[in-house]
Amino acid sequence: GESVGLHLPTLSVQEGDNSIINCAYSNSASDYFIWYKQESGKGPQFIIDIRSNMDKRQGQRVTVLLNKTVKHLSLQIAATQPGDSAVYFCAENKGNNDMRFGAGTRLTVKP
Amino acid sequence: DAGITQSPRHKVTETGTPVTLRCHQTENHRYMYWYRQDPGHGLRLIHYSYGVKDTDKGEVSDGYSVSRSKTEDFLLTLESATSSQTSVYFCAISEQDHSQSTQYFGPGTRLTVL
Repeated sequence: GESVGLHLPTLSVQEGDNSIINCAYSNSASDYFIWYKQESGKGPQFIIDIRSNMDKRQGQRVTVLLNKTVKHLSLQIAATQPGDSAVYFCAENKGNNDMRFGAGTRLTVKP
Repeated sequence: DAGITQSPRHKVTETGTPVTLRCHQTENHRYMYWYRQDPGHGLRLIHYSYGVKDTDKGEVSDGYSVSRSKTEDFLLTLESATSSQTSVYFCAISEQDHSQSTQYFGPGTRLTVL
């Protein structure tokens, strides 16, 4: 999994499987978290966000889980498709308008 | 890319020259941001704007300046480009400050400083 600031890990999954991408954040006072998807040569694209008063949020085929006890965030993608291949990174709001981004995890979906 | 354009999309320049990158939005969002993205690092905030003529520094502001004379345009200037400023630059916009709302990103500008 990813930690904000580390080198890019990779995850390879078979088409149709579920994917789980992890992120460890640094500040226990962080109150807002976002997952982005970035395809090659493009800008980051918002996927889903979650605030610290929640521990789970679902979107279309994606779920974000927040575990504040261990400062861990995960993105689950159901029935992963080839179009999901991209770099995924998390961002945390550390307060005082300080949003920090992780370097990302590269997801490759094998047909 | 949510009504955000960046120009140029690619630029090669020489050390010591000034460079200006432009971000243009059609969403009328109050907040605009400039980030750089380098291998092994997450996006790092250079400068941001919270309104016309209102700007503030980000995490890596040294060597960069910005201006916002209109809601729709946010300019990033490298006063004297250095090789360490070779990077991909992204502009982003948001309705509220980025600690409270989603940012939408432009397509990026790849800058190479020789």
